[in-house]
Amino acid sequence: KAGVTQTPRYLIKTRGQQVTLSCSPISGHRSVSWYQQTPGQGLQFLFEYFSETQRNKGNFPGRFSGRQFSNSRSEMNVSTLELGDSALYLCASNRDGETEAFFGQGTRLTVV
Amino acid sequence: AQSVTQLGSHVSVSEGALVLLRCNYSSSVPPYLFWYVQYPNQGLQLLLKYTSAATLVKGINGFEAEFKKSETSFHLTKPSAHMSDAAEYFCAVSPIYNQGGKLIFGQGTELSVKP
Repeated sequence: KAGVTQTPRYLIKTRGQQVTLSCSPISGHRSVSWYQQTPGQGLQFLFEYFSETQRNKGNFPGRFSGRQFSNSRSEMNVSTLELGDSALYLCASNRDGETEAFFGQGTRLTVV
Repeated sequence: AQSVTQLGSHVSVSEGALVLLRCNYSSSVPPYLFWYVQYPNQGLQLLLKYTSAATLVKGINGFEAEFKKSETSFHLTKPSAHMSDAAEYFCAVSPIYNQGGKLIFGQGTELSVKP
């Protein structure tokens, strides 16, 4: 059974640009969550999508957005990139009603 | 509001020694609790979880954790450390009524294992 797949694994962008990250959950999982991991702030919850609807949201500015498609694949978008957005972005999926989250390997975003 | 505190950002043990990683949580309602491990440049792997069943939870790779409500703790232990246990460990909490993905993580503890 394939795990959570995140693409791309590495990304370098320039300040002011926008970026889109992709996450394919485990087959049968309809909940997808996104996290930002930085050395200073640790792991912070961005948002969660379930059945194409945002179900939970963390405390991030509106530059961070996401969406989920009918096949449960999810994308997150960051607009007007700042140096502080450099981080490892992790995606996790859950089976409906289950507490166990399965994580992808992450996308390492570097903003220069 | 829920929160998780991991005591000690770095822990170093000798191979074969006891591993003890500390986690305290703050929650107004009974939580679900988790320990995850992260190897360099990898995602998170679930070690074990507490979901209000047995207070002593056994996980993968010989790890276990005990839920102590009176101490609001969920410390992770392993009787004998192995070199392959060197990694970063995260404690996380989720409200029992949560319908899914939102986890609140501690700051992490980096475990070093000396030969």
